[in-house]
Amino acid sequence: AQSVTQLDSQVPVFEEAPVELRCNYSSSVSVYLFWYVQYPNQGLQLLLKYLSGSTLVKGINGFEAEFNKSQTSFHLRKPSVHISDTAEYFCAVTRNQAGTALIFGKGTTLSVSS
Amino acid sequence: ETGVTQSPTHLIKTRGQQVTLRCSSQSGHNTVSWYQQALGQGPQFIFQYYREEENGRGNFPPRFSGLQFPNYSSELNVNALELDDSALYLCASSPTSGRAIEQYFGPGTRLTVT
Repeated sequence: AQSVTQLDSQVPVFEEAPVELRCNYSSSVSVYLFWYVQYPNQGLQLLLKYLSGSTLVKGINGFEAEFNKSQTSFHLRKPSVHISDTAEYFCAVTRNQAGTALIFGKGTTLSVSS
Repeated sequence: ETGVTQSPTHLIKTRGQQVTLRCSSQSGHNTVSWYQQALGQGPQFIFQYYREEENGRGNFPPRFSGLQFPNYSSELNVNALELDDSALYLCASSPTSGRAIEQYFGPGTRLTVT
């Protein structure tokens, strides 16, 4: 069975600082990996995805993530955060091409202050 | 292009009652998935519908049921509501082909069971 562990439940940072949100997964088969963002009282928005190819994936809003198969990790990074990046971030995995079930981590709350 | 829409946005039900939540998928998407997101948790997969047939189910009891219609819209029905059913219910749709792995989420329906 697959599982996702988000190693930090809360990450407080100052505006314009770099940030890394950590995600580890477990699976015995090849997986596809995603990061979603959820703003207060809203649904989930896809930030970026890894399906195959280059292990460095660039997404929206200046975020990027690196797939590391040997460490089974898919950490999310941004070199300089803004107040507007304050939100809940979810890492997710699926092994089915049709995306039958996304398995989500418990989420990381990113709080950006000035 | 209209995104995924859900109705209602909020509702309050009493324990033991039944509820129906609705979802309209994004144009060109024929697959709909439903997720339950309890407060402070990541979304959990309930089930998926593809071309009006259930195409996968998570660890939810049979009192959670669904339908998909010819226009690919969907309903989630929950019978005999329990207090623990209080959550944000998210619907996600996936493209017909090619990018079928991607799931696009609606804003959710907040269900409160008292």
